[in-house]
Order: sequence, then C-alpha cells, then structure tokens
Amino acid sequence: EVQLSESGGGVIQWGGSLRLSCTASGFTFSTFGISWVRRAPGKGLEWVAAISYSGTDTYYADSVKGRFIISRDNSKNTLYLQMRSLRAEDTAIYYCTIFNYWGQGTLVTVAS
Amino acid sequence: DIQMTQSPSSLSASVGDRVTITCRASQGIRNDLGWYQQKPGKAPKRLIYGVSTLESGVPSRFSGSGSGTEFTLTISSLQPEDSATYYCLQHNYYPWTFGQGTKVEIK
Repeated sequence: EVQLSESGGGVIQWGGSLRLSCTASGFTFSTFGISWVRRAPGKGLEWVAAISYSGTDTYYADSVKGRFIISRDNSKNTLYLQMRSLRAEDTAIYYCTIFNYWGQGTLVTVAS
Repeated sequence: DIQMTQSPSSLSASVGDRVTITCRASQGIRNDLGWYQQKPGKAPKRLIYGVSTLESGVPSRFSGSGSGTEFTLTISSLQPEDSATYYCLQHNYYPWTFGQGTKVEIK
C-alpha cells in the first residue's frame, strides 16, 4: 500500500525557519518525481515545489522561490521542504504528493 | 506562468443534476491536465488525469474532456457524496498551477 506521511509542521514565528519531511512507503520512491502542495485557510490548492526522481532538478512557485528548498534522500525514502523567511501567507496545510497519492498533510502556522 | 481560470467558483445543484466545471488555460497545455476533489479535512483526491482518463475506483458519472486551452469536468448525475471542492491542475509547464476551485453544494 502506498503511503506518504508528512511531519515537521507547527507554529513558527514570522521570519523563522522550518523543515518539513515526507516519508514514503509502498512504492519505489527513487523512480518518482514528487511535489509539495499547500492549502491556506479559506484559499484553494497551491502547488509549491517539485523535485525530479533523482533530485537533480527542482522547481518552485514564484511565491516561495528563493525562500524554500525542496530536496530528497532516496536512501531514506524521504522528501524535505526547508522553509525560510516564513510569512503569514505561508500558513497552510502542506501535502506531499505524487498526484495519484497524497499524504494527510502537516499544518504550518506562521505567527506574527 | 500559465494561468488556469476555473468557473464557476461555486454552484448549488440537486441530486441527479448534470454539473459542468470548466478550466481555461492561458496557453496550450497539451493533455497535461488533471481534476481533483477535496472534501473538508481530507487530502485531495485525483479523479481524472490526462484530460479524460478516469482514476481507478472513481465512479463513471465523472468524466473529463477538452483540448488545448479549454477543459471540462462533468458529473453526469450529482450524488450527495459529490459535495466537495474541485480543482483542475496543469502540469505541462513549471510552475504547475491549479484553478481557483469550484465548491459544489447539494440543494
């Protein structure tokens, strides 16, 4: 059974940093590109970042470019999202996804 | 960046009604479009990929169509469990972009 499980969310001060993790199981993680998607309160889904299967190529939404870094460790079947210079508008549930499978999400709250 | 304009933003329909949701891309995206359903407190669920291919286990009342820049999700006979927010997603060009969402309510 495919499973994606996010962790690392919490309450963080404005301007702070946080690292999210997503642990995968039930499929060959190292052969899939994977993304982070978020949903802010009262807003729609927003694609945040993606990384190729090997980790060589990364892509970002304009809203997070230069502040967030997506990475992966295929030996640990784990995806990461390093978030810096956090703003109120980064408050959201963050999901990792290969689009036919999604994690349950982890909540990030940026407090002013 | 490609903009995905989704309409309507919300709709209210009766059980058994035919419902249509549209997404228009600001430029051609080939067949790189999927439709997602999200219910409150749950992760999104992909219904359709490649414009018109139904995800395994998704009821056949859901269908997708379109090409180029205009795409449609149709629910042929709305059911109570279809109450949710629906999104299109283009994955042809980075940054990938979702439509703004359509909230579907049952009258």
